[in-house]
Order: sequence, then C-alpha cells, then structure tokens
Amino acid sequence: DAGVTQSPTHLIKTRGQQVTLRCSPISGHKSVSWYQQVLGQGPQFIFQYYEKEERGRGNFPDRFSARQFPNYSSELNVNALLLGDSALYLCASSEGVTGELFFGEGSRLTVL
Amino acid sequence: GEDVEQSLFLSVREGDSSVINCTYTDSSSTYLYWYKQEPGAGLQLLTYIFSNMDMKQDQRLTVLLNKKDKHLSLRIADTQTGDSAIYFCAETTPQAGTALIFGKGTTLSVSS
Repeated sequence: DAGVTQSPTHLIKTRGQQVTLRCSPISGHKSVSWYQQVLGQGPQFIFQYYEKEERGRGNFPDRFSARQFPNYSSELNVNALLLGDSALYLCASSEGVTGELFFGEGSRLTVL
Repeated sequence: GEDVEQSLFLSVREGDSSVINCTYTDSSSTYLYWYKQEPGAGLQLLTYIFSNMDMKQDQRLTVLLNKKDKHLSLRIADTQTGDSAIYFCAETTPQAGTALIFGKGTTLSVSS
C-alpha cells in the first residue's frame, strides 16, 4: 500500500510569492496534519484536519492556511512568503483524530 | 509551558548500547514518543509510552520514563550502523490537543 505522498518534493520561490503544497494520506486515513521543520529543529505543528474540518492550529500567522478535500487529501497554502518560511513541510495522516501518525517524506521549500 | 529538550549529538561504536535522553516541562503530558528521521526521509515512529508507565521494551528498544524528573530515555541495544539517524522525542498534552510537541532531535552517529 502507498504511504503518505507529498508534492512537490522540492521547490524554490522568491519572497512575496505564494506556494501550495499537496498531501495524499494513506488509504482509509481521515486525518491529515501539517508540520514545519526548519533546518536543525524539530517539527512544529501547523494544522490538523479531520473529516474536512480544522481540528487544531499551531502558532503560525494567518499567511498559512490549509484545507482538506472529500477524498481526504489536503493542501497547505502559504502566502507572502518570507525567507524564514524556508523549511521541510511534513504531512502526516492518521486513521482518526488521535492515533499513530504516519509521515510523508516532506516538501522542501526554499525561499530566496 | 511546553518544552522538550534533547542533547544534540551522540556517537557510539557498532555493537554498543546507545542511550538518548529527553526532558520535558509539562507534567500533564499524556503520551511520549520516539521518532527516527533518516536523511531525506520523513519521520518514523519507533515507540511510545503512556505517561502512567515506567518502562516499555520492544526488541532492541527500551524506553524509560521518570515522571517525577520529567525525563525520558531511549536505549538501543546492539547499535548498528543502520541506526545512524536523528532521533526526536515528542509529547502530547491536554493543552496541545492532538499536536505533537517535538524536541530539536539527537543525531546518533554509529561507527564500525
């Protein structure tokens, strides 16, 4: 079975631009969570969605938004990119709101 | 507040035991986790322990929890070169809801 898949794997943007990252959860998983991992740091929680509803939000500015689709896939959007948004963005899925998280390999965003 | 601290680096020889330590500040932690991250890969859940447990063993892995001192450790017996990776300690708390709070990670280097 396919694990959590994320796209794109790498991308480069410039300051002020907008980016959309995509995540497909493991089949049967209804929850998707997003984490930001800056180089040398541990992942930081951004959002969790379950059954298309936001179930949790971390301490990130409103430039960050996300949504979940009927097929449980998810998109993370970041507007007005800053240099500090350069990071590995990890998506994780789980069967329910709680339970083991299965992580994808991430999308590495570089902002120049 | 919520904070998870880890030592940044550990170097061992193949066949030795590795002990990775973690301290946390929130006494209301419910679950504590150990994740492994290999280069270019996402996070892999190694093991977890419920906050009312003292110890959990799973093959080569032993987790010890000292709730009084808010100290968690991961012991890897017979460490192999394939164990070289970054190890993250993480917790969940009632305040954080479903979000995982990660430490900065410990880089384990295993030499042959």
